[in-house]
Amino acid sequence: DVKVTQSSRYLVKRTGEKVFLECVQDMDHENMFWYRQDPGLGLRLIYFSYDVKMKEKGDIPEGYSVSREKKERFSLILESASTNQTSMYLCASSFAGQGRLKEQYFGPGTRLTVT
Amino acid sequence: AQTVTQSQPEMSVQEAETVTLSCTYDTSESDYYLFWYKQPPSRQMILVIRQEAYKQQNATENRFSVNFQKAAKSFSLKISDSQLGDAAMYFCAYRSALAGGGADGLTFGKGTHLIIQP
Repeated sequence: DVKVTQSSRYLVKRTGEKVFLECVQDMDHENMFWYRQDPGLGLRLIYFSYDVKMKEKGDIPEGYSVSREKKERFSLILESASTNQTSMYLCASSFAGQGRLKEQYFGPGTRLTVT
Repeated sequence: AQTVTQSQPEMSVQEAETVTLSCTYDTSESDYYLFWYKQPPSRQMILVIRQEAYKQQNATENRFSVNFQKAAKSFSLKISDSQLGDAAMYFCAYRSALAGGGADGLTFGKGTHLIIQP
C-alpha cells in the first residue's frame, strides 16, 4: 500500500514563527503536492513538485515556500506564520508521465493553529 | 482555468438506501480525469472512484458508481445500499490529462457532507 505520512497531526504556533510541515511518501512518486483545506472552500493547491529541487506554484502560494531535496520528502514552509494560515494542510503524491492515471494519494493531514 | 462545483453542501440518507451526489465542472479541455474522494471524520482522504473522460462507460466500484455526462460536464456519484461507514465528506476533483507541470494538480469542489441515518 502507498503510504504518505506527515510529521504532525496537530501543531500550534505563534504569529511570526517559522513553521515547517514535513511529508514523506514511500512509493517513489515523482509528484508531490501541498493542499490547504478550509471549511466551505474545499482543497486548494499551494505548491507542487514534479522532481527533486523542482517546484511550481499552485493557486494560493502567497506566504508559503517549499523544499524538495530528496524524492521522498516534500516540505512546506511558512516563513512567518499568520493567523490566516490556521488551516488543515494535506500532502499528496502521485506518479508522473504520460499514460499513467496519476492518482493522488493523501497523507492524514496536519491541523495547524496559529495564535 | 477549470472549476468544479458541488451544489449540495450536505446530504442525508437512510441506511440501506441510495443517494446521489452531484458534481459539475467547467473546462475547455477534451481529455481529463475525474475523481471522487472520500474524507471520513479521521481525515485520511481516500479515492472512491475515477473516470477517464475518453471512456464512455461509467465507472463502477462495488456499491459506488458514477453517471458521467461529458457533454453536460456532469459527474455524479451514486452510492447504493448506504452504510454507516459511508458517512464522510465527499469531494469531486478534476485533473487535466496533459502530462507534467501544472497540469498534474487536482482541482477540487467544495465538498458534500454525507450523513447516514441509522
